[in-house]
Amino acid sequence: KAGVTQTPRYLIKTRGQQVTLSCSPISGHRSVSWYQQTPGQGLQFLFEYFSETQRNKGNFPGRFSGRQFSNSRSEMNVSTLELGDSALYLCASSLGTLRSTDTQYFGPGTRLTVL
Amino acid sequence: AQRVTQPEKLLSVFKGAPVELKCNYSYSGSPELFWYVQYSRQRLQLLLRHISRESIKGFTADLNKGETSFHLKKPFAQEEDSAMYYCALSGALTGTASKLTFGTGTRLQVTL
Repeated sequence: KAGVTQTPRYLIKTRGQQVTLSCSPISGHRSVSWYQQTPGQGLQFLFEYFSETQRNKGNFPGRFSGRQFSNSRSEMNVSTLELGDSALYLCASSLGTLRSTDTQYFGPGTRLTVL
Repeated sequence: AQRVTQPEKLLSVFKGAPVELKCNYSYSGSPELFWYVQYSRQRLQLLLRHISRESIKGFTADLNKGETSFHLKKPFAQEEDSAMYYCALSGALTGTASKLTFGTGTRLQVTL
């Protein structure tokens, strides 16, 4: 079974630009969650999509948004980039049940650098 | 608000020595606790979850609700255990098991 894939793996942008990151979940998984990882704040939950709907949201400004397609692939968008948005962005997929036995499988991440 | 605390950034032990990675949590409700591990150049992966009460790669973790802790233990450390370990929490208040609150992680270094 292919794992979670994320594209691109590396990205360099300048302040004020916008960026779109993509995540392809494991086949059969309907839930995709996004996390931001920085040295200062660690791993922080951004949002979760299930069946094309945002089901959970973390405490990030509205500049961070996402969507999910009918094939469960997900994209996240960050508009008006700030230097502090430089981070590793991880996505994780799971079956999307509400059971704690549902395992999240993480992708390799997209490293975003904002100059 | 929920919080996960891992007090040690780095834990260095000798091969064969016991390992204990500490994790404390703050949560109003019934928590679900996990340990995730990231080996060098690999992606983050689930190591174990408290609800399964299992031993994975010799590691165990017991949820202590009185002390709000979920420490990860292994009696004899191996070189291949060297990695970054993250404690994580989810629960009814966070919505689903897909919304995890992570600790800041502890790097375990096993030396000869």
